[in-house]
Amino acid sequence: ETGVTQTPRHLVMGMTNKKSLKCEQHLGHNAMYWYKQSAKKPLELMFVYNFKEQTENNSVPSRFSPECPNSSHLFLHLHTLQPEDSALYLCASSQDGTSGYNEQFFGPGTRLTVL
Amino acid sequence: GQNIDQPTEMTATEGAIVQINCTYQTSGFNGLFWYQQHAGEAPTFLSYNVLDGLEEKGRFSSFLSRSKGYSYLLLKELQMKDSASYLCAVMDSNYQLIWGAGTKLIIKP
Repeated sequence: ETGVTQTPRHLVMGMTNKKSLKCEQHLGHNAMYWYKQSAKKPLELMFVYNFKEQTENNSVPSRFSPECPNSSHLFLHLHTLQPEDSALYLCASSQDGTSGYNEQFFGPGTRLTVL
Repeated sequence: GQNIDQPTEMTATEGAIVQINCTYQTSGFNGLFWYQQHAGEAPTFLSYNVLDGLEEKGRFSSFLSRSKGYSYLLLKELQMKDSASYLCAVMDSNYQLIWGAGTKLIIKP
């Protein structure tokens, strides 16, 4: 138990569906992250929020839309996804996003399958 | 470009010692992290190095040479529960983590 929860744990959706992933952290952190993890590939940073402000968007397609209503919650809204978007989506949090020793705590992830 | 290299898979015997290497080329350096990830679970933090040298934490140690762009994770007295993927990540000049693809460690009895 890392103090970061994600729901749902598994999601199967068609290419025309709209769904949302939810992340909540109970650690009092100020930075939150979305990562994509595909088999045998490095973790890909998608979005970073620092003190509720989006500070990074690593050329992510617009079919992924993040939302950070407060420092404890992070959402990833999904629409018209492609089969290649099937992956494990990990949420993480850290004390802040602008210092060196900044351990990230990860949630268990959402296993997404796009049909 | 930015690049983190580590072996894809390693095999070791229970009770033995294994060293997992990581080499990196990044734009800036604000520290190197090692994480452990069991299959189907979240990555969990193991170690952080920002200065050259060896950091020891129980059965696990991590070494860093900034001039060589090189780190290793040393696992001693291997146990079956150490079977997992080990992820090397470097914090770049923008304080973002650049990740390696991970090394899958298989422990045999």
